[in-house]
This record gives sequence, structure tokens and C-alpha cells, in this order.
Amino acid sequence: TQLLEQSPQFLSIQEGENLTVYCNSSSVFSSLQWYRQEPGEGPVLLVTVVTGGEVKKLKRLTFQFGDARKDSSLHITAAQPGDTGLYLCAGAPPSNTGKLIFGQGTTLQVKP
Amino acid sequence: GAGVSQSPRYKVTKRGQDVALRCDPISGHVSLYWYRQALGQGPEFLTYFNYEAQQDKSGLPNDRFSAERPEGSISTLTIQRTEQRDSAMYRCASSPIQGGLILVEQFFGPGTRLTVL
Repeated sequence: TQLLEQSPQFLSIQEGENLTVYCNSSSVFSSLQWYRQEPGEGPVLLVTVVTGGEVKKLKRLTFQFGDARKDSSLHITAAQPGDTGLYLCAGAPPSNTGKLIFGQGTTLQVKP
Repeated sequence: GAGVSQSPRYKVTKRGQDVALRCDPISGHVSLYWYRQALGQGPEFLTYFNYEAQQDKSGLPNDRFSAERPEGSISTLTIQRTEQRDSAMYRCASSPIQGGLILVEQFFGPGTRLTVL
């Protein structure tokens, strides 16, 4: 069974600080996504990474896919209270039947 | 346009009863997924359809859980003889067809909160 482990599980920081969330696995994924979920809502896609070593930027968010496609990171620069939420990584196994495996999530709280 | 809708939004039932949860995907979306999500945790895959065909049901916990999508649009997740451990948020998602190596975006519904007393 392929697993995605996220760390940290909880993060509480002050506005303006930087942070990094990690998503790790012992298995290879054909592609990986990051989602953000707000309370009472469903997850919403932030980015999809496909190529090993790929880096994508979305405003203050930087996403990286590991060279071996087993891990990924999300870095937020100058966090704002609006960044508060549950961040989820999700990966597709190489066989890709369509099954999406989610990490357990990182709850981020940004205090003003 | 309309997003993914689910009904009911909340369901309270007694242990031993059967429940049926409905998902109405985004019009034209071929793939439909069911997940179960605990509070503050990532969604746990249950099953997935392309059109009316169930492609993968490896995540269904046991044979009390079943899902169908008879006309390739609306889907129903049925839990028979509910148990307290079945209490959770059940989420549905849909996407344009997912079959290649590159993941496509999944659009999630608001979920059905199931409570088994």
C-alpha cells in the first residue's frame, strides 16, 4: 500500500513568517497534487507536478517535486491569515487506475 | 456553472439502518470518486467510476459498502447495516476523464456528514 506522509501535522505561525510543508513516500508517484481545504468545504486544487525535480510557483507558494518522484514540498513565503487551512498532498501510483492517495494533511494557522 | 452537489448534507441514522448517499457530478465529467474524510485528515479513497463502470473499489471497507453509477452521471453510495464506526464525512469528487499518468483536477462536493447513533 502506498502511503504519503505529511509533516508537520499542525503549524501555528505569525503573519509574515515563512514555512515549509513536506510530503514523503517510499514509493514512486507518477504525478502529485497539492490541495487546500477550508473548514466546511471540500479540497481545492492548488497545483499538479509531474516531472522529477519540477518547481512550480503560485504567487507566494512554491511547490517542488523530488527528483525521484517520491516526495514533494510546499513553501509559503510571508504567510498571511488567508493562508490558514488544511493543506493536502495527493499522489497517483504509477499504475494509475485513477485512485488518488492523500496524505493525512497539515493544518496551518496564521495569526495576524 | 454548478459544482458537485451531494445530498443529504447531514444524515443521522440508527445503528443497523441502511443509508444511501447521493452525488451529482459536474455536467460532462466522466470520472467520479467517493472518499471518506475524518476531521482534520486527508480524504480516504473508497471507489471510482469512469462513466458507469466501476474502475476501482479497493477502498471500500467491507461488503456493507457499495456504489453505483448506472447512467454514468449521478452516483449513490450505499451503506447497509450501519455501524457507529461508519460515522464520517463522505465526499464525492468528479473530473474530466482520468486515465493517463498525469492527474487531472478533481472537483470536490460539500460532503455528507453521516452520524450513526
